Parts: sequence; C-alpha cells; structure tokens
Amino acid sequence: EAGVAQSPRYKIIEKRQSVAFWCNPISGHATLYWYQQILGQGPKLLIQFQNNGVVDDSQLPKDRFSAERLKGVDSTLKIQPAKLEDSAVYLCASSEQDNQPQHFGDGTRLSIL
Amino acid sequence: AQSVAQPEDQVNVAEGNPLTVKCTYSVSGNPYLFWYVQYPNRGLQFLLKYITGDNLVKGSYGFEAEFNKSQTSFHLKKPSALVSDSALYFCAVRAYNFNKFYFGSGTKLNVKP
Repeated sequence: EAGVAQSPRYKIIEKRQSVAFWCNPISGHATLYWYQQILGQGPKLLIQFQNNGVVDDSQLPKDRFSAERLKGVDSTLKIQPAKLEDSAVYLCASSEQDNQPQHFGDGTRLSIL
Repeated sequence: AQSVAQPEDQVNVAEGNPLTVKCTYSVSGNPYLFWYVQYPNRGLQFLLKYITGDNLVKGSYGFEAEFNKSQTSFHLKKPSALVSDSALYFCAVRAYNFNKFYFGSGTKLNVKP
C-alpha cells in the first residue's frame, strides 16, 4: 500500500511569512495526526482529526496555526505568521482507528530565517 | 496526566550483544503502548504495540518488549544487536479511554561493529 505522502520535504521562509504543508494519508485511514518535532525532542501532537472532525487540538497555537481536513481525506497545516521557534519537522501520520499504530510520512523540515 | 519517559538519551552496544532501551509511563487506566524507530530524515516507523494480553510482545526486525504493570515500564529489547539497528527509538503511550498519544523524548541507539 502507498504510504503517507507529505509535501514539500523542505521549506525555508523568513519570520512573519506564511507557509502551508500538505498531507495525503493512507487510503481508508480515518484518523489523521499532525505533529511538530523539534530537533532532539519527540513528536508533539498538534492536532488530531477523526474523518473531517477535530478530536484534539489542545496543543495547537491557534493564534498562528490552522489545519483542515476537508472531505476527510487529505489535510493542510498552515502557519501564519511564522516565528523563529516554529523551526521544526512537521510530521503527518494516519491510522485506521485512533488506538491503532500510526503510519508516518517523512515530514516537512521547516527553517525560519 | 499522561506522560512517558525515556531515561537514556543514548545507548551504546556492541554488535551481537543484547540491547535494552528503557521506557516508563504514567497514564490513568490501562495503557496502549507503542515503540517506533526513526532513521535520519525519515518519519517514524512502527515496531510493536501492547494493547492487552501477553506481557511479552514481539515486533518487527527481531525486537520485543515486555509490559510490566507494577513498574509501569515497557522496555524494548533485542537478543542480538545489528549495526543497522542504529537509529532513534521512541516510546509512546495512550490511555485506552483518552485519545491523545504522548511520545517520549527518544533514545539514540548506537550499535558498534
């Protein structure tokens, strides 16, 4: 089966600019996650979708981050405006159900200048 | 509050020797426990999980983990390490009645020839 697809792989922007990441989960996976992984740390959950509804976004900085999963398939994560501390790898993952193993994409490495 | 701890930032082992990567957790109720591996510039790959049943869980690439409820631990083990096992390993926990996953900070495994 095809894995979780993410694009772009790398992005460099200046602070205060905006950026968007795209994720296409494994076909049929109902649950989709966005994680932020700062260098040297474990992934931190930003938002979890079940189909096209938000299950948890308690750690999403809502003043600058937004995410959507229209039609319950692919998803986009946006940052506007970006700050220096947003430099990280943004990982998308999907699973059949929320208690099943997650399948991760290779991530988008974001660098803020 | 749910949390997971990986007390060792790095584990060094010689090829052919047994390896252990430690994980302890704190969760309300019964836990779902997972181990993932991450290679450079890649997303996380699922290794094994404990949901219920036998405390010794076998997973991919010869890895296994033992669930110890009294010690709230879920250590990852392998009888004979390979150089190719060198990577970053993450433990993750989720309470069975709570949607959010928590990842540890990761342990870098170095297997030397």
